[in-house]
Amino acid sequence: DSGVTQTPKHLITATGQRVTLRCSPRSGDLSVYWYQQSLDQGLQFLIQYYNGEERAKGNILERFSAQQFPDLHSELNLSSLELGDSALYFCASSPPSGGDRRTQYFGPGTRLTVL
Amino acid sequence: AQKITQTQPGMFVQEKEAVTLDCTYDTSDPSYGLFWYKQPSSGEMIFLIYQGSYDQQNATEGRYSLNFQKARKSANLVISASQLGDSAMYFCATRGSGGSNYKLTFGKGTLLTVNP
Repeated sequence: DSGVTQTPKHLITATGQRVTLRCSPRSGDLSVYWYQQSLDQGLQFLIQYYNGEERAKGNILERFSAQQFPDLHSELNLSSLELGDSALYFCASSPPSGGDRRTQYFGPGTRLTVL
Repeated sequence: AQKITQTQPGMFVQEKEAVTLDCTYDTSDPSYGLFWYKQPSSGEMIFLIYQGSYDQQNATEGRYSLNFQKARKSANLVISASQLGDSAMYFCATRGSGGSNYKLTFGKGTLLTVNP
Protein backbone atom coordinates (compact mmCIF):
# COMPACT_ATOMS: atom_id res chain seq x y z
CA ASP A 1 0.00 0.00 0.00
CA SER A 2 1.58 3.25 -1.19
CA GLY A 3 -0.50 5.47 1.06
CA VAL A 4 -2.08 7.25 -1.91
CA THR A 5 -5.81 6.69 -2.16
CA GLN A 6 -8.01 7.05 -5.20
CA THR A 7 -11.75 6.80 -5.60
CA PRO A 8 -13.64 5.32 -7.25
CA LYS A 9 -11.74 2.23 -8.29
CA HIS A 10 -13.97 1.66 -11.30
CA LEU A 11 -16.20 4.03 -13.20
CA ILE A 12 -18.47 3.19 -16.10
CA THR A 13 -20.25 6.01 -17.88
CA ALA A 14 -21.59 7.06 -21.25
CA THR A 15 -20.21 9.34 -23.93
CA GLY A 16 -20.88 13.00 -23.32
CA GLN A 17 -20.97 12.63 -19.56
CA ARG A 18 -18.78 14.24 -16.92
CA VAL A 19 -16.97 12.45 -14.11
CA THR A 20 -14.76 13.39 -11.18
CA LEU A 21 -11.87 11.31 -9.97
CA ARG A 22 -10.56 11.88 -6.48
CA CYS A 23 -7.10 11.44 -5.00
CA SER A 24 -5.66 11.81 -1.51
CA PRO A 25 -1.86 12.00 -1.37
CA ARG A 26 0.36 10.35 1.22
CA SER A 27 0.55 12.13 4.52
CA GLY A 28 3.07 14.96 4.27
CA ASP A 29 3.27 14.98 0.48
CA LEU A 30 2.52 18.31 -1.15
CA SER A 31 2.80 17.35 -4.82
CA VAL A 32 0.10 15.51 -6.71
CA TYR A 33 0.49 14.23 -10.25
CA TRP A 34 -2.13 12.79 -12.58
CA TYR A 35 -1.28 10.23 -15.25
CA GLN A 36 -3.34 8.47 -17.88
CA GLN A 37 -2.56 4.92 -18.99
CA SER A 38 -4.13 3.70 -22.21
CA LEU A 39 -3.25 0.88 -24.57
CA ASP A 40 -2.35 3.16 -27.46
CA GLN A 41 -0.67 6.05 -25.61
CA GLY A 42 0.94 4.22 -22.71
CA LEU A 43 1.53 6.13 -19.48
CA GLN A 44 1.24 9.86 -19.99
CA PHE A 45 1.63 12.75 -17.60
CA LEU A 46 -1.42 14.99 -17.43
CA ILE A 47 -0.91 17.63 -14.75
CA GLN A 48 0.93 18.42 -11.53
CA TYR A 49 -0.12 20.40 -8.47
CA TYR A 50 2.04 21.53 -5.60
CA ASN A 51 0.43 22.75 -2.40
CA GLY A 52 -2.68 23.90 -4.20
CA GLU A 53 -1.03 25.49 -7.20
CA GLU A 54 -0.74 24.13 -10.70
CA ARG A 55 2.94 23.50 -11.48
CA ALA A 56 3.06 21.71 -14.82
CA LYS A 57 0.81 20.54 -17.60
CA GLY A 58 1.34 17.67 -19.95
CA ASN A 59 -0.86 16.49 -22.79
CA ILE A 60 -4.06 17.23 -20.93
CA LEU A 61 -7.12 17.82 -23.05
CA GLU A 62 -9.09 21.03 -22.66
CA ARG A 63 -12.08 18.88 -21.65
CA PHE A 64 -10.09 17.79 -18.60
CA SER A 65 -9.37 19.93 -15.59
CA ALA A 66 -7.98 19.41 -12.13
CA GLN A 67 -7.53 21.15 -8.83
CA GLN A 68 -5.87 20.60 -5.49
CA PHE A 69 -7.72 21.65 -2.39
CA PRO A 70 -6.42 23.17 0.87
CA ASP A 71 -6.43 19.72 2.52
CA LEU A 72 -4.19 18.63 -0.41
CA HIS A 73 -6.59 16.17 -1.95
CA SER A 74 -6.98 16.53 -5.68
CA GLU A 75 -9.75 16.00 -8.17
CA LEU A 76 -9.52 15.36 -11.89
CA ASN A 77 -12.62 16.37 -13.83
CA LEU A 78 -13.27 14.81 -17.20
CA SER A 79 -16.11 16.23 -19.28
CA SER A 80 -17.77 15.57 -22.64
CA LEU A 81 -16.38 12.08 -22.41
CA GLU A 82 -15.46 10.17 -25.53
CA LEU A 83 -14.81 6.49 -26.09
CA GLY A 84 -11.09 7.24 -26.35
CA ASP A 85 -11.03 8.57 -22.80
CA SER A 86 -11.39 5.04 -21.49
CA ALA A 87 -8.19 4.43 -19.57
CA LEU A 88 -6.62 3.85 -16.19
CA TYR A 89 -6.08 7.15 -14.41
CA PHE A 90 -3.39 7.30 -11.78
CA CYS A 91 -2.68 9.82 -9.12
CA ALA A 92 0.79 9.98 -7.60
CA SER A 93 2.30 12.02 -4.82
CA SER A 94 5.83 12.92 -3.81
CA PRO A 95 7.40 14.43 -0.71
CA PRO A 96 8.33 18.12 -0.48
CA SER A 97 12.02 17.50 0.15
CA GLY A 98 14.73 15.25 -1.22
CA GLY A 99 15.58 17.05 -4.44
CA ASP A 100 15.98 14.75 -7.38
CA ARG A 101 15.48 11.74 -5.15
CA ARG A 102 11.82 12.52 -4.63
CA THR A 103 10.01 9.34 -5.59
CA GLN A 104 6.46 9.43 -6.87
CA TYR A 105 4.19 6.94 -5.17
CA PHE A 106 1.16 5.88 -7.13
CA GLY A 107 -2.37 5.25 -6.04
CA PRO A 108 -4.27 2.14 -7.14
CA GLY A 109 -5.81 3.98 -10.09
CA THR A 110 -9.33 4.60 -11.34
CA ARG A 111 -10.36 2.52 -14.31
CA LEU A 112 -12.68 4.60 -16.47
CA THR A 113 -14.83 2.92 -19.09
CA VAL A 114 -16.79 5.12 -21.48
CA LEU A 115 -19.56 3.30 -23.33
CA ALA B 1 12.66 16.61 -23.46
CA GLN B 2 13.06 13.13 -22.11
CA LYS B 3 12.61 9.77 -23.75
CA ILE B 4 12.71 6.20 -22.47
CA THR B 5 13.15 3.19 -24.72
CA GLN B 6 12.38 -0.33 -23.58
CA THR B 7 13.12 -2.63 -26.49
CA GLN B 8 11.83 -5.87 -24.97
CA PRO B 9 8.05 -6.10 -25.22
CA GLY B 10 8.16 -9.45 -23.42
CA MET B 11 10.65 -11.54 -21.50
CA PHE B 12 10.54 -15.04 -20.07
CA VAL B 13 12.62 -16.35 -17.19
CA GLN B 14 12.69 -19.54 -15.18
CA GLU B 15 11.94 -19.34 -11.50
CA LYS B 16 15.05 -18.74 -9.37
CA GLU B 17 17.05 -17.40 -12.30
CA ALA B 18 18.17 -13.82 -12.81
CA VAL B 19 16.78 -11.60 -15.55
CA THR B 20 17.79 -8.23 -16.98
CA LEU B 21 15.24 -5.78 -18.34
CA ASP B 22 16.69 -3.19 -20.67
CA CYS B 23 16.15 0.54 -20.55
CA THR B 24 17.84 3.32 -22.46
CA TYR B 25 17.12 6.96 -21.93
CA ASP B 26 17.61 10.29 -23.56
CA THR B 27 17.51 13.54 -21.67
CA SER B 28 18.91 17.04 -21.96
CA ASP B 29 18.82 17.62 -18.23
CA PRO B 30 22.24 17.75 -16.53
CA SER B 31 20.76 16.09 -13.46
CA TYR B 32 18.07 13.44 -13.62
CA GLY B 33 16.62 10.43 -11.90
CA LEU B 34 15.83 6.99 -13.23
CA PHE B 35 13.05 4.85 -11.80
CA TRP B 36 11.65 1.39 -12.23
CA TYR B 37 8.05 0.53 -11.47
CA LYS B 38 6.24 -2.80 -11.46
CA GLN B 39 2.64 -3.14 -12.58
CA PRO B 40 1.05 -6.50 -11.76
CA SER B 41 -2.10 -7.65 -13.49
CA SER B 42 -4.12 -6.01 -10.70
CA GLY B 43 -3.06 -2.66 -12.13
CA GLU B 44 -1.31 -0.76 -9.37
CA MET B 45 2.07 0.89 -10.00
CA ILE B 46 4.66 -0.21 -7.46
CA PHE B 47 7.91 1.72 -7.06
CA LEU B 48 10.94 -0.58 -7.13
CA ILE B 49 14.20 1.32 -7.35
CA TYR B 50 15.74 4.73 -8.01
CA GLN B 51 19.07 5.80 -9.48
CA GLY B 52 20.31 9.37 -9.46
CA SER B 53 22.43 10.55 -12.35
CA TYR B 54 25.24 11.58 -10.00
CA ASP B 55 25.13 8.51 -7.78
CA GLN B 56 28.53 6.84 -7.72
CA GLN B 57 27.19 3.37 -7.09
CA ASN B 58 24.50 1.32 -8.74
CA ALA B 59 21.30 1.24 -6.75
CA THR B 60 20.16 -1.95 -5.06
CA GLU B 61 16.92 -2.81 -3.27
CA GLY B 62 16.69 -6.40 -2.11
CA ARG B 63 16.52 -8.62 -5.21
CA TYR B 64 16.45 -5.58 -7.50
CA SER B 65 19.55 -3.84 -8.75
CA LEU B 66 20.06 -1.22 -11.37
CA ASN B 67 22.91 -1.55 -13.86
CA PHE B 68 23.53 2.12 -14.58
CA GLN B 69 25.87 2.97 -17.44
CA LYS B 70 25.79 6.72 -17.85
CA ALA B 71 27.95 6.91 -20.94
CA ARG B 72 25.67 4.46 -22.71
CA LYS B 73 22.56 6.13 -21.27
CA SER B 74 21.28 2.81 -20.03
CA ALA B 75 19.61 1.87 -16.76
CA ASN B 76 18.86 -1.84 -16.88
CA LEU B 77 16.94 -3.53 -14.09
CA VAL B 78 18.32 -6.81 -12.80
CA ILE B 79 16.03 -9.10 -10.85
CA SER B 80 17.85 -11.89 -9.08
CA ALA B 81 16.33 -15.21 -8.01
CA SER B 82 13.07 -14.63 -9.90
CA GLN B 83 9.83 -15.59 -8.21
CA LEU B 84 6.43 -16.36 -9.70
CA GLY B 85 5.15 -13.14 -8.15
CA ASP B 86 7.60 -11.16 -10.26
CA SER B 87 5.42 -11.78 -13.32
CA ALA B 88 4.23 -8.30 -14.24
CA MET B 89 4.78 -5.31 -16.51
CA TYR B 90 7.92 -3.34 -15.70
CA PHE B 91 8.28 0.30 -16.58
CA CYS B 92 11.41 2.38 -16.70
CA ALA B 93 10.95 6.11 -16.19
CA THR B 94 13.02 9.24 -15.98
CA ARG B 95 12.47 12.54 -14.28
CA GLY B 96 14.40 15.66 -14.95
CA SER B 97 15.19 18.49 -12.63
CA GLY B 98 14.14 21.33 -14.89
CA GLY B 99 12.35 24.01 -12.91
CA SER B 100 9.54 22.65 -10.83
CA ASN B 101 8.32 20.08 -13.32
CA TYR B 102 9.09 16.72 -11.89
CA LYS B 103 6.89 14.70 -14.19
CA LEU B 104 7.86 11.14 -14.99
CA THR B 105 8.38 10.05 -18.58
CA PHE B 106 7.76 6.34 -19.02
CA GLY B 107 8.81 3.73 -21.51
CA LYS B 108 6.31 1.35 -23.07
CA GLY B 109 7.16 -1.38 -20.61
CA THR B 110 8.35 -4.98 -20.63
CA LEU B 111 6.03 -7.85 -19.74
CA LEU B 112 7.97 -10.34 -17.64
CA THR B 113 6.71 -13.88 -17.27
CA VAL B 114 8.31 -16.14 -14.68
CA ASN B 115 7.90 -19.82 -15.47
CA PRO B 116 7.86 -22.47 -12.73
